[in-house]
Amino acid sequence: ELKVEQNPLFLSMQEGKNYTIYCNYSTTSDRLYWYRQDPGKSLESLFVLLSNGAVKQEGRLMASLDTKARLSTLHITAAVHDLSATYFCAPRSRSNYQLIWGAGTKLIIKP
Amino acid sequence: ETGVTQSPTHLIKTRGQQVTLRCSSQSGHNTVSWYQQALGQGPQFIFQYYREEENGRGNFPPRFSGLQFPNYSSELNVNALELDDSALYLCASTSTSGGFSSYNEQFFGPGTRLTVL
Repeated sequence: ELKVEQNPLFLSMQEGKNYTIYCNYSTTSDRLYWYRQDPGKSLESLFVLLSNGAVKQEGRLMASLDTKARLSTLHITAAVHDLSATYFCAPRSRSNYQLIWGAGTKLIIKP
Repeated sequence: ETGVTQSPTHLIKTRGQQVTLRCSSQSGHNTVSWYQQALGQGPQFIFQYYREEENGRGNFPPRFSGLQFPNYSSELNVNALELDDSALYLCASTSTSGGFSSYNEQFFGPGTRLTVL
């Protein structure tokens, strides 16, 4: 059974700082998604990582995937207040193609 | 092109009642998945529908059931509501025209907030 662990679960940081969110998963997966959720809102797709070594960047966010280590990271560069949200990683199970979700990382960026 | 829509946006029920939530998939998408998201937690997969049939189910009891219609819209029905059913229910659609091994990312609707008193 595929299990997902995100850390940290909560992160408060100052604008302008850099930080990384980690996503570990327990068994093999063929792809991994990162989503963003604002309070009371739905989920917005950020990245899909399809292969080992994949790296994708959008603005101040960069996601990477190491399938051998079963680890994905979401790096935030020079954080701004607008990035405050909860971030979820979701690897896809090879057995049934369903997404398995982490508990989320609540990110608060203070001006 | 319209995105995924859900109705209603909010709903309040009492224990033991039944509820039906509705989802219209994004244009061109033939697969709908339903998730339950309790406050402060990640989404939990309930089930998925493809071509009007259930195609995968998470760890939810039979009182959670669903339907998919020929136009790919979907319903989630929950019988005998319990307090723990209070959550945000999310519907997501995708296209599996290339087979499930290659299906594309899911697009989520705004959700229905269900409160059970």
